[in-house]
Amino acid sequence: QLQLSGPGLVEPSQTLSLTCAISGDSVLSTSAAWNWIRQSPSRGLEWLGRTYYRSRWFNDSATSVKGRITVTPDISKNQFSLELKSVSPDDTAVYYCARGTMAFNYWGQGTLITVAS
Amino acid sequence: SYVLTQPPSVSVAPGQTATITCAAKNIGSESVQWYQQRPGQAPVMVVHDDMYRSSGIPERFSGSNSGDTATLTITRVEAGDEADYFCQVWDFNGGHLGVFGGGTKLTVL
Repeated sequence: QLQLSGPGLVEPSQTLSLTCAISGDSVLSTSAAWNWIRQSPSRGLEWLGRTYYRSRWFNDSATSVKGRITVTPDISKNQFSLELKSVSPDDTAVYYCARGTMAFNYWGQGTLITVAS
Repeated sequence: SYVLTQPPSVSVAPGQTATITCAAKNIGSESVQWYQQRPGQAPVMVVHDDMYRSSGIPERFSGSNSGDTATLTITRVEAGDEADYFCQVWDFNGGHLGVFGGGTKLTVL
């Protein structure tokens, strides 16, 4: 299971921070990757980035958010987090965390993040 | 980057067969996943690697992929199949990007 948490409202130009707690699996799994995906009417489903462990940590991110996104694992809490900097109203969306390497087989429940002042 | 094109909507009567397409140049060389999303819920993967059903998904759901089109077929459509369906590939050439299609709304008449 993936349990997502974070604030529902973020002010423009601030940093959006979300956490996804993992149960029944490990963030250290060498057969999984841990992803952030968002969904909005204007952008549809949009993969944002991921982190995964294969003897060392790797990260990938979408070109649309590269430079603004950080995905970080937390081994002690068995979770991973998303930070998206300098947000604008265009970043308003339902955000999901998901498990999977090239296919997303488990998803968190999703949380609506609104960027507004 | 990879662009996946789906029809915005497909309508079918109960008991009939629904066909949802996902088009892109040479998509047949990629591994395609299909997700079902009901209103207010997270997407659920129904088919992975072109043709393999996820655990718990009825045999009525099947996938294929060849040339420039991947297809999700739902036979003996039921009212509970009404949902949005999205295709997805992993774009290695674009730098390890997860790419989704725009989605198809399946309406059961």
